[in-house]
This record gives sequence, C-alpha cells and structure tokens, in this order.
Amino acid sequence: DAGITQSPRYKITETGRQVTLMCHQTWSHSYMFWYRQDLGHGLRLIYYSAAADITDKGEVPDGYVVSRSKTENFPLTLESATRSQTSVYFCASSGRISPPGELFFGEGSRLTVL
Amino acid sequence: DAKTTQPNSMESNEEEPVHLPCNHSTISGTDYIHWYRQLPSQGPEYVIHGLTSNVNNRMASLAIAEDRKSSTLILHRATLRDAAVYYCILLLGSSGGSNYKLTFGKGTLLTVNP
Repeated sequence: DAGITQSPRYKITETGRQVTLMCHQTWSHSYMFWYRQDLGHGLRLIYYSAAADITDKGEVPDGYVVSRSKTENFPLTLESATRSQTSVYFCASSGRISPPGELFFGEGSRLTVL
Repeated sequence: DAKTTQPNSMESNEEEPVHLPCNHSTISGTDYIHWYRQLPSQGPEYVIHGLTSNVNNRMASLAIAEDRKSSTLILHRATLRDAAVYYCILLLGSSGGSNYKLTFGKGTLLTVNP
C-alpha cells in the first residue's frame, strides 16, 4: 500500500541493547525525518535526510544513528538504548521543503526501555 | 526562531464552528503558517497552510491577520472525529531541512462534546 509505514509499532527492550526502528515510504519523497514525542516536550526532531546518503542532525541526535542508502528507507538505530529513550517515535516524509510542503507522518513506534 | 502561542485547550459542541487561535507576533516575511493535528494514538496529520492570504481546503479554513501576527484555524462544523491536538507552527520559506528542527510544541487540545 502507498504511504509511510513504521515498524515495529511496539517494542520493549533492555538498557544497553541495540534497537532499530524502520521507516519506509512509497512516494519517493526526497526528505525524511525522525521525531520523538514525550509528554511535556511536544515533537522534537532527531535527524533528517534531504536525499539518499545525505543526513543531518536535528535538535536531539545524541544516542541515535541514522542511514539512508535508499530513498524509500530511513532506519533509526539506538546503538545502546537508555531509559531516557523511552518514547514514541514518528517518521515523516515530504516531497518539498522550500517552500515548505506537507509533512506525512507514520503511525509511530512506541519504544519502552527497561 | 519565531515562536507560536496557542491556548492549551478548547471545547466545542458537535456541529458547531470552532475557531482555534494562534499568535505569532515575531513572524518574519518568509514564514509560512502551517497547521497539523494529532488524533489520539496517531501521528500528526497536515491540515492547512498559508502565507498571507486566507486559505480554504476540504478540512478547514485558515484566516490570517493582515499584519500576520496571528492566525485562526476554522473548523466549520466540528465532529467528534475532530477531537485532537492542533499544532500551529511556522516554517521558513527557504531554509532547507533545518526548518523542521522546530519543536511542534504542546498545541491546543480540542474537545468536542456530542
């Protein structure tokens, strides 16, 4: 189906483990983003990508790694998960950012780090 | 970065119009006003955006003050499905992906009474 999908939707892991959240979009959008949402903080940008092999840090990149070898995929990896990374993670994509176009969000991945 | 101010919460009755205000007194000439909403347990979704003129689409209308220091999202006939958190954000017309470093903030929680 067309759209933007995230997996897994729910994940429980332990402190110190590596976790990868997947994001896949079918529109061939150039721009992709990872946000985290925590109570009291709204949505904060972790990383974004302007195209395959081009990524840049957002507001809160520490503890996260991203890659973008293909336009349609933008995985987010927590190399050594910490409890403070318990959050809901949203992936988004956009076909245009200048002028700014619509952001399309996935349904979110809820991560719990014990 | 230009900031926005929204009421924490608003309440409406079903089938009545809803006017959601947003103040952005430090807006610059190239800032676009974007509105998103987030239904419970879902990712944010785009509602509408504008630069200077009022805008209408199938979901809502956006009224922008002449001095652009405030805007109002208008839902013409609220339904129970419109109950969500509504975010008003400003996006620069030409700043690349760093535009989206903006935190979405806490938005306005709209409650719709049957």
